[in-house]
Amino acid sequence: GQQVMQIPQYQHVQEGEDFTTYCNSSTTLSNIQWYKQRPGGHPVFLIQLVKSGEVKKQKRLTFQFGEAKKNSSLHITATQTTDVGTYFCAGHRSNFGNEKLTFGTGTRLTIIP
Amino acid sequence: DGGITQSPKYLFRKEGQNVTLSCEQNLNHDAMYWYRQDPGQGLRLIYYSQIVNDFQKGDIAEGYSVSREKKESFPLTVTSAQKNPTAFYLCASSRSGGADTQYFGPGTRLTVL
Repeated sequence: GQQVMQIPQYQHVQEGEDFTTYCNSSTTLSNIQWYKQRPGGHPVFLIQLVKSGEVKKQKRLTFQFGEAKKNSSLHITATQTTDVGTYFCAGHRSNFGNEKLTFGTGTRLTIIP
Repeated sequence: DGGITQSPKYLFRKEGQNVTLSCEQNLNHDAMYWYRQDPGQGLRLIYYSQIVNDFQKGDIAEGYSVSREKKESFPLTVTSAQKNPTAFYLCASSRSGGADTQYFGPGTRLTVL
């Protein structure tokens, strides 16, 4: 079945440093979504990418979808304490009937003030 | 006030007892999902339903059961057959399944003593 891996599993950064998490799928995706889960909370949708090579920005967050539509990245510039949480990617395969979203393993970000 | 509700937030049960977790949504979504999250882990799909009176097993369905008698409701029963039931359980819904964005409830933290 489809597998979605994320690296790193954990990342500790000084406040103000940049952070990047990478998402890799074993199969080509029709789209990829990113979610954020704050400590003790539930995942919340951030963004969806659909096109090959697509880049989207949300303030200090930059999301990219690979040319082959098998990988994606989330980059946070100048991290703040509010960025703490676990970031999940979720991929969907096209042309597979009722195929559901498959969530990645997540990257847990902690910020050192 | 639209959204997904899960109750209770915390639940304690003795080993060997079945327990049912509630999930209700008023978003008029067709699809609903149950995930299990263990400390420091990603989201693992237990069951999902894309239409009333129909549901499919996810990746870790053993020891769990569900029903979908109403569009708004998707209760999950953790049976005594589930070997390690202590976990954080998240319910989600999406407009029509597939690649649609998923909206998560606040979760239920189940502890089996």
